[in-house]
Amino acid sequence: IAGITQAPTSQILAAGRRMTLRCTQDMRHNAMYWYRQDLGLGLRLIHYSNTAGTTGKGEVPDGYSVSRANTDDFPLTLASAVPSQTSVYFCASSDGLENNEQFFGPGTRLTVL
Amino acid sequence: GQNIDQPTEMTATEGAIVQINCTYQTSGFNGLFWYQQHAGEAPTFLSYNVLDGLEEKGRFSSFLSRSKGYSYLLLKELQMKDSASYLCAVRDSNYQLIWGAGTKLIIKP
Repeated sequence: IAGITQAPTSQILAAGRRMTLRCTQDMRHNAMYWYRQDLGLGLRLIHYSNTAGTTGKGEVPDGYSVSRANTDDFPLTLASAVPSQTSVYFCASSDGLENNEQFFGPGTRLTVL
Repeated sequence: GQNIDQPTEMTATEGAIVQINCTYQTSGFNGLFWYQQHAGEAPTFLSYNVLDGLEEKGRFSSFLSRSKGYSYLLLKELQMKDSASYLCAVRDSNYQLIWGAGTKLIIKP
């Protein structure tokens, strides 16, 4: 079934630990995105990738890193988690920067204690 | 700065019509999007406007006025399953989406 998968579904993490959130899409979309969603705030872009091999910083990139080794995968890494990174994280993809629609994964609920 | 404003919460009755407004101030404009998000789920695409006017898609319509920095989403013949948050997003000059905080729509029988 075509779409985007994210793993894990949820995670509780101790502050200071390293964590990688996984995102895989099988739609052969060029562009991929990582957002965080916090109560009372809109989705905020963390990092994005226009195509395999390239990445860019979004609105709130500090404390996060990404890589895009191939078209399908776009992992997000928290090098040393802090409680302010407690959030719901959504991965999304689109066929290109100018394509109308972004498709979202089911999200990862991360709690940092 | 960039800003998207929409009401936090609205309540409507099953079978009725509701209009959710969105105003925006962004650096550049390359289209406005509406997404629906049910509680605990991912956002899903509803509509896209890049030119002024009304776009109709079944029970849902979206309107855009670029000169006023204003859009609305119109939902007709409301059903209980329409209870969700509705997110307004503007694509800016860098082709990144700037998102509003969303409007939680509560449908009552």
